[in-house]
Amino acid sequence: NAGVTQTPKFQVLKTGQSMTLQCAQDMNHNSMYWYRQDPGMGLRLIYYSASEGTTDKGEVPNGYNVSRLNKREFSLRLESAAPSQTSVYFCASVSGNSPLHFGNGTRLTVT
Amino acid sequence: GQSLEQPSEVTAVEGAIVQINCTYQTSGFYGLSWYQQHDGGAPTFLSYNALDGLEETGRFSSFLSRSDSYGYLLLQELQMKDSASYFCAVGPDSNYQLIWGAGTKLIIKP
Repeated sequence: NAGVTQTPKFQVLKTGQSMTLQCAQDMNHNSMYWYRQDPGMGLRLIYYSASEGTTDKGEVPNGYNVSRLNKREFSLRLESAAPSQTSVYFCASVSGNSPLHFGNGTRLTVT
Repeated sequence: GQSLEQPSEVTAVEGAIVQINCTYQTSGFYGLSWYQQHDGGAPTFLSYNALDGLEETGRFSSFLSRSDSYGYLLLQELQMKDSASYFCAVGPDSNYQLIWGAGTKLIIKP
């Protein structure tokens, strides 16, 4: 029972490069989220998908795009990476009033 | 605006009891959750209060007072492995979003 799986675990990009962070959950959850966490800070919501086929902006969506590929998968894309996007990215999923289940995170450095 | 306030850092001694407070100002209330995060790890769920009162799960308890917009996490018989950051969060709201506090770093001394 894998839960929420994120790939890659680590990534270094140069300014202007693009990449996609992958997230998949095997718990049949309806809602999925992408958060970023900067050192010593809480979680800030980038985008979320309340259900398959829908996506919405969160608190800090600028510079990112998302795709809810199917019920299991929710990807986050950085089209032109900037040093300000250096952060740890967490994917999470939930259904109903169950607690959020998080992936192990992707540690991204943009130089 | 919507916000949650919690102390940035709390220090306690192994074997003792510690309380981490959380006050919130939100446009609606949908329950207060607590998550634990070890350095370099992912947040993991600890406890959830939808109604006033105390919820107990082993050494951890969580309390909520909706009239005071206040809750706390109580950790008993502290162990070194409890050294972590603890986050309170309100929600999910009708848009399936949670509002997060900035986290409390718990430092445990032997």
